[in-house]
Amino acid sequence: TQLLEQSPQFLSIQEGENLTVYCNSSSVFSSLQWYRQEPGEGPVLLVTVVTGGEVKKLKRLTFQFGDARKDSSLHITAAQTGDTGLYLCAGRNAGGTSYGKLTFGQGTILTVHP
Amino acid sequence: NAGVTQTPKFQVLKTGQSMTLQCAQDMNHNSMYWYRQDPGMGLRLIYYSASEGTTDKGEVPNGYNVSRLNKREFSLRLESAAPSQTSVYFCASSPLGHYEQYFGPGTRLTVT
Repeated sequence: TQLLEQSPQFLSIQEGENLTVYCNSSSVFSSLQWYRQEPGEGPVLLVTVVTGGEVKKLKRLTFQFGDARKDSSLHITAAQTGDTGLYLCAGRNAGGTSYGKLTFGQGTILTVHP
Repeated sequence: NAGVTQTPKFQVLKTGQSMTLQCAQDMNHNSMYWYRQDPGMGLRLIYYSASEGTTDKGEVPNGYNVSRLNKREFSLRLESAAPSQTSVYFCASSPLGHYEQYFGPGTRLTVT
């Protein structure tokens, strides 16, 4: 079973601060996704990274896939209260079939205070 | 285009009771999944269906059964509910060969 360790589990910051969430594994993933989930709703896909070393930016969010495709990070610049939520990383198993079975990290609960 | 819909949104069961959670998607996706979400444990895969007519066990299948009724619908059944099955259940779907999964709004189940 491939595992994804996500850290930190909780993050409480003030508006305007920067933060980074990490997702680590000893296993190689063919791709990695980041989801955001708000209370009472299902996760919503933010980004998919596929290539080792890949960096993707989505406004104030920067996603990086490690060179060895075993880890990833999500960096938020100048956090806003609207960024509050649960952030989940999910890896698609290397050598997996086309139906896209994912392994999820435990999640990071981010709270941004005004 | 409703995406992925789940019913019911909330349910309370007594130990030993049975129920079926319904899921439907209108995106013509081939693959569908059932997850449970518990605090501090992320999402754990219960069962999945790569395509219509096939189902396979995920990480935590014990106590559950599934039916892929057609391409649109994928149901999850608890035959004899246990307090350990108290959780939030999410259904998801994805196109064949694509990475992203689309999630429903979830069903919050409490077993007393």
